[in-house]
Amino acid sequence: DQQVKQNSPSLSVQEGRISILNCDYTNSMFDYFLWYKKYPAEGPTFLISISSIKDKNEDGRFTVFLNKSAKHLSLHIVPSQPGDSAVYFCAASDSNAGNMLTFGGGTRLMVKP
Amino acid sequence: DAGVIQSPRHEVTEMGQEVTLRCKPISGHNSLFWYRQTMMRGLELLIYFNNNVPIDDSGMPEDRFSAKMPNASFSTLKIQPSEPRDSAVYFCASSLRQGKNTEAFFGQGTRLTVV
Repeated sequence: DQQVKQNSPSLSVQEGRISILNCDYTNSMFDYFLWYKKYPAEGPTFLISISSIKDKNEDGRFTVFLNKSAKHLSLHIVPSQPGDSAVYFCAASDSNAGNMLTFGGGTRLMVKP
Repeated sequence: DAGVIQSPRHEVTEMGQEVTLRCKPISGHNSLFWYRQTMMRGLELLIYFNNNVPIDDSGMPEDRFSAKMPNASFSTLKIQPSEPRDSAVYFCASSLRQGKNTEAFFGQGTRLTVV
């Protein structure tokens, strides 16, 4: 029973264009959402997060949108750069049940020069 | 801070042998997590400690797996006896539980191969 799902295993985007990565969740108790980036042979690194009291959070080229009614969040990267090529994981937590993270399966982003 | 430190980076062992993975969390962090990454199941939480106490070990696959956190700066994940299906990358992560911020910092992982 996957509580966090990333339905696109891969995404290919041209440099300079927008990358949109999507994530769906089923647990309505999740109140904090994060995106991690992972390069090969390295651990996941935190990218950006959003609390359930917000619907948008922006940090430079990265913006996360949260639609609570649809239980959906997305990560926008604008403009995309070749160095953004990595696997992106969506994660969620229920702060009232401890701060462990439940991860989606990941989306491999390839940004072509 | 050097971040979360895991050792070894790579481990190859024979089926039936005991394997111990080690983790040093970020100083001052009060939560520690062990995750396993496989192609089939992605990143799955094995066990979670808060203030050195195991809070949730429901993700530990079976009794062959055990984890300890004897103090705030060290944790181990032990597999005894190991099996080929345990082959995966094991990550340790730590975080500071304050309010609702739950950003976790990951180590570089231990790639375990059981032959």
